[in-house]
Amino acid sequence: DIQMTQSPSSLSASVGDRVTITCRASQYISNYLNWYQQKPGKGPTLLIYAASILQSGVPSRFTGSGSQTDFTLTISSLQAEDFATYYCQQTYTSPQTFGPGTTVDIK
Amino acid sequence: QVQLLESGPGLVRPSETLSLTCSVSGASISAYFWSWVRQPAGKGPEWIGRVYSSGSGSYNPSLWSRVTASLDTSNNQISLKLSSVTAADTAVYYCARGPMVGTSNYNYFYMDVWGKGTTVTVSS
Repeated sequence: DIQMTQSPSSLSASVGDRVTITCRASQYISNYLNWYQQKPGKGPTLLIYAASILQSGVPSRFTGSGSQTDFTLTISSLQAEDFATYYCQQTYTSPQTFGPGTTVDIK
Repeated sequence: QVQLLESGPGLVRPSETLSLTCSVSGASISAYFWSWVRQPAGKGPEWIGRVYSSGSGSYNPSLWSRVTASLDTSNNQISLKLSSVTAADTAVYYCARGPMVGTSNYNYFYMDVWGKGTTVTVSS
């Protein structure tokens, strides 16, 4: 299985901050990388797919980049509703695998 | 608006079969891929498997010998069966909609709509 790692595992930030989360795959996955946001007690919501394509309805402050094994999710100006856990997911090979998550909380 | 609602027994005995149903409103299940994902408390999600209207499925190799997912198009529902459960199967189980079949980006297999999840505990 392809192993996904994320860094940092958690971070504290303030509203208006620029936040960057990194995801790394244990082997080549091209751009088969999706990002999800999850809030406590709820199912994940899709933010970005194919590494950089913004899902319809997702605010433009979220951007994704990267290819091959290294990817980033950037929130350009953190809003109150963005405090959550973020997961990356590779779909290049089966089984699809998720990263362990990055929790963004309020500083 | 598309809505997914998972249902099933909250408690399952070890060695028994877990059966879950995902009821879909606002979309025809025939047009999309559908996945099951589970998430143990405090951990990241784990993909269980995926099905679509052809009836074919793709499953996580770690579970393939115990899992079956299927579509019930007459009731617009997706089902999941997981046999021989153990405490390690305790988790929140989600159903999720994948890309529309035949679209240009379908092979990215992202999941764009998720249910609220149902908690399953395996215990005697």
